[in-house]
Amino acid sequence: DSGVTQTPKHLITATGQRVTLRCSPRSGDLSVYWYQQSLDQGLQFLIQYYNGEERAKGNILERFSAQQFPDLHSELNLSSLELGDSALYFCASSGAGGTFSGNTIYFGEGSWLTVV
Amino acid sequence: AQSVAQPEDQVNVAEGNPLTVKCTYSVSGNPYLFWYVQYPNRGLQFLLKYITGDNLVKGSYGFEAEFNKSQTSFHLKKPSALVSDSALYFCAVTPRRGNFNKFYFGSGTKLNVKP
Repeated sequence: DSGVTQTPKHLITATGQRVTLRCSPRSGDLSVYWYQQSLDQGLQFLIQYYNGEERAKGNILERFSAQQFPDLHSELNLSSLELGDSALYFCASSGAGGTFSGNTIYFGEGSWLTVV
Repeated sequence: AQSVAQPEDQVNVAEGNPLTVKCTYSVSGNPYLFWYVQYPNRGLQFLLKYITGDNLVKGSYGFEAEFNKSQTSFHLKKPSALVSDSALYFCAVTPRRGNFNKFYFGSGTKLNVKP
């Protein structure tokens, strides 16, 4: 168990709908990352938050948004869903940078999204 | 640009034989280096990391990795492969400097260990 919790584990929804994926990082971790993994693609970095602030953006669509709350949990919002959005969405967390650089990034078990 | 390369999409090895999964990187400032394993329908699990010191790092499940600064490589190795090692392996790096960790992942290498 990595200590990173993601809900829901599985989700089936229709095209055009909106879903929210939730992530609780490991205790004490300030950084939260979101990744998308499709069958025909590798691990695609979406976005990173550090202590509530957006720090890095990857290949995240405009239909997708995320935030990190004061209690450090994070949510990934996916809207106007398309069939191609079906994928495994991972949340990961790591500790503070700076003098603590080199902290391991730990992954949750992922949220399986199926768009039908 | 920062990047991590795993040149082999797939590696096939017979059980009991040694295995190597390759990783090279182009990240400034002597980064920290990691290996992860992903079993089907599971999250990525941390295997090992290189911070400093001995270039040979030992990790979980009998895996080890060799850091080569001059070749900017961090190859994953195991002396004797098991069928249960069959999985997807990811190399990752993060720069040493900065106030937050930014991770760069390779594209993954599928390891097939045949009985």
